[in-house]
Amino acid sequence: AQTVTQSQPEMSVQEAETVTLSCTYDTSESDYYLFWYKQPPSRQMILVIRQEAYKQQNATENRFSVNFQKAAKSFSLKISDSQLGDAAMYFCAPAYAGGTSYGKLTFGQGTILTVHP
Amino acid sequence: DAGVIQSPRHEVTEMGQEVTLRCKPISGHDYLFWYRQTMMRGLELLIYFNNNVPIDDSGMPEDRFSAKMPNASFSTLKIQPSEPRDSAVYFCASSLPQGLGANVLTFGAGSRLTVL
Repeated sequence: AQTVTQSQPEMSVQEAETVTLSCTYDTSESDYYLFWYKQPPSRQMILVIRQEAYKQQNATENRFSVNFQKAAKSFSLKISDSQLGDAAMYFCAPAYAGGTSYGKLTFGQGTILTVHP
Repeated sequence: DAGVIQSPRHEVTEMGQEVTLRCKPISGHDYLFWYRQTMMRGLELLIYFNNNVPIDDSGMPEDRFSAKMPNASFSTLKIQPSEPRDSAVYFCASSLPQGLGANVLTFGAGSRLTVL
């Protein structure tokens, strides 16, 4: 079974500044993916970024990047040049890469991000 | 594509009534997932299907909950009888086949259920 810990229930950042959201997980699998999803007040779950565990290179997606430390089972999200539209709940989620558990995401409890103008 | 479509967006019902939530996945996605979100328990996987077949229903809370996927374009989650503790947002999500979608789930907008 996978467990996911997001140790920061709430974070805040000034517009245009950088913020990092933390996530640690526990898994016995060697082949898996890691995701960050955001949930704005509209409650729609939106994919932010994904990382394949077999890749050493950290994923980036425009202003969003991750710091993936496989040995430490850590997967943090960095948001650069924060914008008001980034305000949302952010969820970290690992998922098995194959077999009968393909696609099963285990979500952390989430971090509420507030962006101040 | 219109994305994953869920209905209704909001449902208010009284305890003991039957509730049916509906989901239309993205065409070509052969995985379908039902998640439930509450303040206390966060996002929980209830059940998921592959090619219309239930693969894992270990997250279904009890026999009052049932899910079906009669064809590739439609799934239902039914609660009978409903209880106040079933109040939550229920999400449906779909994904491409293994090897194509890298586990990326596309979520619907969710159905907010309130049981009085």
